[in-house]
Amino acid sequence: NAGVTQTPKFQVLKTGQSMTLQCAQDMNHNSMYWYRQDPGMGLRLIYYSASEGTTDKGEVPNGYNVSRLNKREFSLRLESAAPSQTSVYFCASSELGRAYSNQPQHFGDGTRLSIL
Amino acid sequence: ELKVEQNPLFLSMQEGKNYTIYCNYSTTSDRLYWYRQDPGKSLESLFVLLSNGAVKQEGRLMASLDTKARLSTLHITAAVHDLSATYFCAVVFMDSNYQLIWGAGTKLIIKP
Repeated sequence: NAGVTQTPKFQVLKTGQSMTLQCAQDMNHNSMYWYRQDPGMGLRLIYYSASEGTTDKGEVPNGYNVSRLNKREFSLRLESAAPSQTSVYFCASSELGRAYSNQPQHFGDGTRLSIL
Repeated sequence: ELKVEQNPLFLSMQEGKNYTIYCNYSTTSDRLYWYRQDPGKSLESLFVLLSNGAVKQEGRLMASLDTKARLSTLHITAAVHDLSATYFCAVVFMDSNYQLIWGAGTKLIIKP
């Protein structure tokens, strides 16, 4: 019963390096999300995918790109990492729409990313 | 502007005491969620509140929603150490394409 799986769990990068964070869900959800969590700021939405084949910007998309590879997988890419992107990144999945309004988003365990 | 404000942001209390965490939001909401996060861990859903006057309870935690006041409360009854965690509220605003806007979180420490 995996739910939402994120890889890697930890990563240290140098400024300017690139990397891709992976996320997969096995709950057959249509919608997937990438958040970053910084101390004292709650979660901020980076990008989301309401359904397979669509992606949209969230509150803080600059410096990131995403790919919705299929219904299960949603990846987040940092093309040229900057120290300001040091954060904990969470992937989540859910269903959208009023018919599913009683269902929360389900979260992965997070990726702790440090950029030196 | 879509805003969600929690208070207090930090709360230290003794076991056995009661306390309330408040979540205010800026405009009409479609629904409101409460989550719990333990240090270094993921977020766990606690409650989903959908309508005015909704009240949900799980153990020593009770959440309520007043949509007219744009306010949700998370009440802790007879706190125990295991409830120490950070609690977040998150709101789905009307016409926000179902995006969640998150409060900054309330870090709760319960001392034996």
